[in-house]
Amino acid sequence: DAKTTQPNSMESNEEEPVHLPCNHSTISGTDYIHWYRQLPSQGPEYVIHGLTSNVNNRMASLAIAEDRKSSTLILHRATLRDAAVYYCILRRYNQGGKLIFGQGTELSVKP
Amino acid sequence: NAGVTQTPKFRVLKTGQSMTLLCAQDMNHEYMYWYRQDPGMGLRLIHYSVGEGTTAKGEVPDGYNVSRLKKQNFLLGLESAAPSQTSVYFCATQLTGGEVYEQYFGPGTRLTVT
Repeated sequence: DAKTTQPNSMESNEEEPVHLPCNHSTISGTDYIHWYRQLPSQGPEYVIHGLTSNVNNRMASLAIAEDRKSSTLILHRATLRDAAVYYCILRRYNQGGKLIFGQGTELSVKP
Repeated sequence: NAGVTQTPKFRVLKTGQSMTLLCAQDMNHEYMYWYRQDPGMGLRLIHYSVGEGTTAKGEVPDGYNVSRLKKQNFLLGLESAAPSQTSVYFCATQLTGGEVYEQYFGPGTRLTVT
């Protein structure tokens, strides 16, 4: 399984943008990049995913480097509710759909 | 729609006791998963199922058994609980196989084995 590397923790101010980085230098051509987040005392929830192109949805944007060896999750205006652990996960074809979680980045948001 | 529900929410067991955790879903999803999460760590896959009547081992299957007799339910059993199985257990579902579909997680079961 391809490995991802994320900072252990990051801080942000409320209503400011947040850029959460992820390195995945051993990514293969068919690996999808997924992001999940886990709010305190809850199960993880899906945020966004992409393959090669940048992606936007109502929760966030995903910027993928041209060589695909890194990606950045962008929260455009952080709120207190965005304080969570964010996981960057590579998903490979024909692996039963399983998610391999690393330790993630713990994001704290200051008012 | 309840989504993914887990029963019970909390449980305390003594070493050697057995129990079954129930995951139920009303989304008609084919794939179901059991993960465990130890303090300060990411989730690890225990077992999963790609359809009714099927099960497969994940990353940390030892000490657990599973069954998927009905499409909407996925049961996780501990035959003889050990303190090392103290953890939070999450169930998840996915519409079908493949790397593009999102997984939906339940609220978790907090298990303590003394």
